[in-house]
Amino acid sequence: EIVLTQSPTTMAASPGEKVTITCRASSSVSYMHWYQQKPGASPKPWIYDTSKLASGVPNRFSGSGSGTSYSLTISSMETEDTATYYCQQWSSNSRTFGGGTKLELK
Amino acid sequence: EVQLVESGGGLVQPGRSLKLSCVASGFTFSNYGMNWIRQAPGKGLEWVAYISSGSSYIYYAETVKGRFTISRDNAKNTRYLQMTSLRSEDTALYYCARYGGYGGPLDYWGQGVMVTVSS
Repeated sequence: EIVLTQSPTTMAASPGEKVTITCRASSSVSYMHWYQQKPGASPKPWIYDTSKLASGVPNRFSGSGSGTSYSLTISSMETEDTATYYCQQWSSNSRTFGGGTKLELK
Repeated sequence: EVQLVESGGGLVQPGRSLKLSCVASGFTFSNYGMNWIRQAPGKGLEWVAYISSGSSYIYYAETVKGRFTISRDNAKNTRYLQMTSLRSEDTALYYCARYGGYGGPLDYWGQGVMVTVSS
């Protein structure tokens, strides 16, 4: 089973600040998906196939990576971006999530 | 509009069983694989089980293998999760989520149903 490790687990950013969340896989994977979850709500697909933005996601978000290292970047933090972000991948017979990164407003 | 609605949760004693349902609407249910994902209170997401569109492929997380069974009834647009030998660590909000296919993301999620395992 591939283990996904996200860092940091919690962070705070000021409005306008650039934010980068990292997801490291225990073995090489072909792509990564990201989800955003706000308190009391179901997760939403946010970035898929490593770098494609889901419908309605602002273009200040971007995704990149390959092999065992992937990242989600916010070019300029906004209030509405406060949430927990999870990375996720598929392997042959399992699906795994990272532990999540809680992003707060400073 | 795609909708996934879970039901069947509740309070159950350790060692007992419970069956969750997820009713889908707004898309051709038989064309999509479906998943169950859970989230313990204050914790992260944990994938639980997957069933392919035609039920040919079924996978489970190691934490539930042998205790949980995923199934689907395409005629009723419903997917099920039969949970047996429940443990306190199974306490969580259980989501059903649609698999978009081709290695893609879980593109639609239900609102979740709470399962509490306690004596």
